[in-house]
Amino acid sequence: GENVEQHPSTLSVQEGDSAVIKCTYSDSASNYFPWYKQELGKRPQLIIDIRSNVGEKKDQRIAVTLNKTAKHFSLHITETQPEDSAVYFCAASRGAREYGNKLVFGAGTILRVKS
Amino acid sequence: DSGVTQTPKHLITATGQRVTLRCSPRSGDLSVYWYQQSLDQGLQFLIQYYNGEERAKGNILERFSAQQFPDLHSELNLSSLELGDSALYFCASSAGTSGSPGGELFFGEGSRLTVL
Repeated sequence: GENVEQHPSTLSVQEGDSAVIKCTYSDSASNYFPWYKQELGKRPQLIIDIRSNVGEKKDQRIAVTLNKTAKHFSLHITETQPEDSAVYFCAASRGAREYGNKLVFGAGTILRVKS
Repeated sequence: DSGVTQTPKHLITATGQRVTLRCSPRSGDLSVYWYQQSLDQGLQFLIQYYNGEERAKGNILERFSAQQFPDLHSELNLSSLELGDSALYFCASSAGTSGSPGGELFFGEGSRLTVL
């Protein structure tokens, strides 16, 4: 079945440093790869996403890269700030009409930014 | 505010009981998804509805059922509750399937279920 593996499970960085979270997916038909941020006690919120026809996407301090051949995708956060501390989830989806947009999530990464 | 409304926000009940969680999707969204998040766990997909029809099913227990009504709101029914069912249940909605890949899911604030 579909599976998304996410590493590391926890990540501590110093404020200003970069953070990288990596995910691997099993379903080769996946074509949509979003990243969600969940603060303590809050709902998950989309921070960036990438589609299979794109290799890299950047939005200010956040970037995502996709390697379809290796079925890997990664989240890069530069110049981390304390407010980046949260749980980050990667996800994958086929996104086609017959499957809907069901997202399969990774287990999550707890990011702690130390000031 | 995502536009997705879930009720109740908190619910405490006893083992063996039955509860119903309700979700109103964003205006215009046809797809509704239910996810379960246990303590220190990730987001486990339960079930998806699109315009009233079941579209995808995850590892949803037989004791759980869901439906989407003509006005597009959805209900998740949990019966014969066990201690292990204690979790945060999220509803999410999206514009639905259009043939194009992907699409953001908008999550509600969740319903926290505690089974004692």
